[in-house]
Amino acid sequence: GAVVSQHPSWVICKSGTSVKIECRSLDFQATTMFWYRQFPKQSLMLMATSNEGSKATYEQGVEKDKFLINHASLTLSTLTVTSAHPEDSSFYICSARGYAVNEQFFGPGTRLTVL
Amino acid sequence: GDSVTQMEGPVTLSEEAFLTINCTYTATGYPSLFWYVQYPGEGLQLLLKATKADDKGSNKGFEATYRKETTSFHLEKGSVQVSDSAVYFCALSDQNEGADGLTFGKGTHLIIQP
Repeated sequence: GAVVSQHPSWVICKSGTSVKIECRSLDFQATTMFWYRQFPKQSLMLMATSNEGSKATYEQGVEKDKFLINHASLTLSTLTVTSAHPEDSSFYICSARGYAVNEQFFGPGTRLTVL
Repeated sequence: GDSVTQMEGPVTLSEEAFLTINCTYTATGYPSLFWYVQYPGEGLQLLLKATKADDKGSNKGFEATYRKETTSFHLEKGSVQVSDSAVYFCALSDQNEGADGLTFGKGTHLIIQP
């Protein structure tokens, strides 16, 4: 099956710094990528949808200036958490979909801890 | 808005036991329904899906039937194995059969003991 990777798998940072998380489709071209957030013992919440070469579409309640998403190529999307604070600590998961494929393939997730 | 409710875990069973994980949903229109599985250290994988009422999705011995009248999509397996230990997520999509953003339940941690 299709493989999606995320880097880093975990990151610890100080409050006020920015953190970038990468999501890569390794063996297919991802026309659309999705970013989800998961709190402990909670469901995955869709944050935003990004199509290659265009601006991301954010879900209601997600601050687009806080969570910057870039999808500059067909194999890479990045999520940058700007000026991170402890409440941004969470598990961030990306998924990707290719041409004419009605299925999302998920990355393993990135654990962010903000001190 | 859309929502998915699934039974809280962890669920602990002995090998070869019968498994049911309940899932109910709230959605407008006619959503597509999914079960995803997440093994330790790996990303979510699609286990099975159903895109219309009365459809049955099946894979690896797991089954789930789309019940519109009860808004349910319960996951079942007749005889579980230790290798089935994982977290299971029920999800729905009201657009494009899951090619767009998904709404997930909280996940059910399944533990199978030898």
